[in-house]
Amino acid sequence: AQKITQTQPGMFVQEKEAVTLDCTYDTSDPSYGLFWYKQPSSGEMIFLIYQGSYDQQNATEGRYSLNFQKARKSANLVISASQLGDSAMYFCAMREVNNFNKFYFGSGTKLNVKP
Amino acid sequence: DAGITQSPRHKVTETGTPVTLRCHQTENHRYMYWYRQDPGHGLRLIHYSYGVKDTDKGEVSDGYSVSRSKTEDFLLTLESATSSQTSVYFCAISDGGGATDTQYFGPGTRLTVL
Repeated sequence: AQKITQTQPGMFVQEKEAVTLDCTYDTSDPSYGLFWYKQPSSGEMIFLIYQGSYDQQNATEGRYSLNFQKARKSANLVISASQLGDSAMYFCAMREVNNFNKFYFGSGTKLNVKP
Repeated sequence: DAGITQSPRHKVTETGTPVTLRCHQTENHRYMYWYRQDPGHGLRLIHYSYGVKDTDKGEVSDGYSVSRSKTEDFLLTLESATSSQTSVYFCAISDGGGATDTQYFGPGTRLTVL
């Protein structure tokens, strides 16, 4: 079974609008972390935001927020006020503490921001 | 930015030849990882290390071996490269093993096996 599922291979958003990138996960480990990474066309992997399974509040980092719904096992990334520089691949990832600390990545969502 | 370098950054080799990729960190982080990235698959874990000389397999470890003789260096070896190992390889590091510990990535190595 897939540990991380990203169902949107590609998305478009108008500049200055908000966009939500979907991520669902599968785990029976009570302790885990959820992460989002950005990969621009230049290829590097950039860490954006983190959410712990025991965190009560949704994580925020500048224009990025993580909509964490534990019961639904979803961890969607919300980007507010999209900018042209946000065009990139976005990967959701999960770390299971009781599974030898392995990271699992989704297949990614390619976001295109239109001017 | 985390101090992670990978060498070489690009390599073209022929089927059947051995290849070693190097990951070097200056952060003194305990955990190091090797991933490969292929279209449609995201990143898949090859091997990881949780300390000097302590390594374990990931989900796609066949055909790969690793070594970590020093905290700062993690080597990935393809004993006999095959065309299916053409990929982009990323090294990553993290400070600890808890759920809160983020992975930081190196710049990647593009390997082509002809």
